[in-house]
Amino acid sequence: EIVLTQSPATLSLSPGERATLSCRASQSISSYLAWYQQKPGQAPRLLIYDASNRATGIPARFSGSGSGTDFTLTISSLEPEDFAVYYCQQRSNWPRTFGQGTKVEMK
Amino acid sequence: QVQLQESGPGLVTPSETLSLTCTVSGDSISPYYWSWIRQSPGKGLEWIGYIYYSGSTNYNPSLKSRVTMSVDTSKNQFSLNLSSVTAADTAVYYCARSPGWFDPWGRGTLVTVSS
Repeated sequence: EIVLTQSPATLSLSPGERATLSCRASQSISSYLAWYQQKPGQAPRLLIYDASNRATGIPARFSGSGSGTDFTLTISSLEPEDFAVYYCQQRSNWPRTFGQGTKVEMK
Repeated sequence: QVQLQESGPGLVTPSETLSLTCTVSGDSISPYYWSWIRQSPGKGLEWIGYIYYSGSTNYNPSLKSRVTMSVDTSKNQFSLNLSSVTAADTAVYYCARSPGWFDPWGRGTLVTVSS
């Protein structure tokens, strides 16, 4: 199965700062990567699909890039509601797999 | 807008079968794929499998021998059975529309395996 490795595990930033999250796949997955946001006590919410497409209702400050094995989620200017855990997920191969998550915490 | 709601026992005895149902509202269960995903502190997010509205299935090989999914289009519901559970199956279980991306998700239900 495809292993997704996210880095860093924790990102400590202040509101208004730029966040850059990484996801690396154990083999090429083309552009078949999604990003999710999860807040405490809530289900994950789809942010980005096919590496760079924002899901419905997702603000423009969220952007995704990458292909092959290396992907990035960028939050251009952190809002208070953006502090959460972010997961990547691949749909290139079965079984579908997720990364272990990056926690974006307030500095 | 489509909403999903998981239901089922919150406590299951070891070696027994975990049974959950997901009720879909706001849209028809056809012609979509529907997945079960679980989240535990030890293993993070784990895709369990999907069922198509027609009844075809695809399971995670790591759980395939213990998983059965079914669908009831008349009730707009689909279900998960996980047999021979152990403490390692303790997790929050989510249902979601799939099969590529998972969107939307249910709120999740905590299932604890304990005697």
